[in-house]
Amino acid sequence: DGGITQSPKYLFRKEGQNVTLSCEQNLNHDAMYWYRQDPGQGLRLIYYSQIVNDFQKGDIAEGYSVSREKKESFPLTVTSAQKNPTAFYLCASSKGGASYEQYFGPGTRLTVT
Amino acid sequence: DAKTTQPPSMDCAEGRAANLPCNHSTISGNEYVYWYRQIHSQGPQYIIHGLKNNETNEMASLIITEDRKSSTLILPHATLRDTAVYYCIVRGMDSNYQLIWGAGTKLIIKP
Repeated sequence: DGGITQSPKYLFRKEGQNVTLSCEQNLNHDAMYWYRQDPGQGLRLIYYSQIVNDFQKGDIAEGYSVSREKKESFPLTVTSAQKNPTAFYLCASSKGGASYEQYFGPGTRLTVT
Repeated sequence: DAKTTQPPSMDCAEGRAANLPCNHSTISGNEYVYWYRQIHSQGPQYIIHGLKNNETNEMASLIITEDRKSSTLILPHATLRDTAVYYCIVRGMDSNYQLIWGAGTKLIIKP
């Protein structure tokens, strides 16, 4: 089955630790995205990548880092510099171009205490 | 990208048509209207999108007014599984791939 996988579904970390969230897609999509969602809110863009080895900051990139070494993978690292890391993190992918819809993974719920 | 305005919540009876409005009065000529929905604690699901003409697929219909300042998503025969938050988004055709998400409309389908 084609789609986007995120792992793990739930993640717990202690404050001060870096943590990496996985996102893999087998849809052969060029573009990939990371969003953050807080309770009762819409999604906010953290980073996006239009092509391998290239990525751009979204609206809330501070405290996060990404890499895009392979077309199918776009891992997100939540660093200790992120002041409020507890949130629901969503990965998405799309074909190139603004007319194409984004397909989302199931999300990872990160809790930092 | 233009901003959108949606009612925070709506109810609809099971089996009836659910009509979800969206205002996007500042939309420009090259911006698409997208609709997604998000069932609780899941990733958003694409529903439909359009530019000028009305669109229909297996999930829903999208009606865009002639001046493009508003649109309506229609779920023709709502079921309990359609209970979700519905997001209306406008998105330009430039190289910026961002979707700007508002708070959406919480649609509750009642038996």
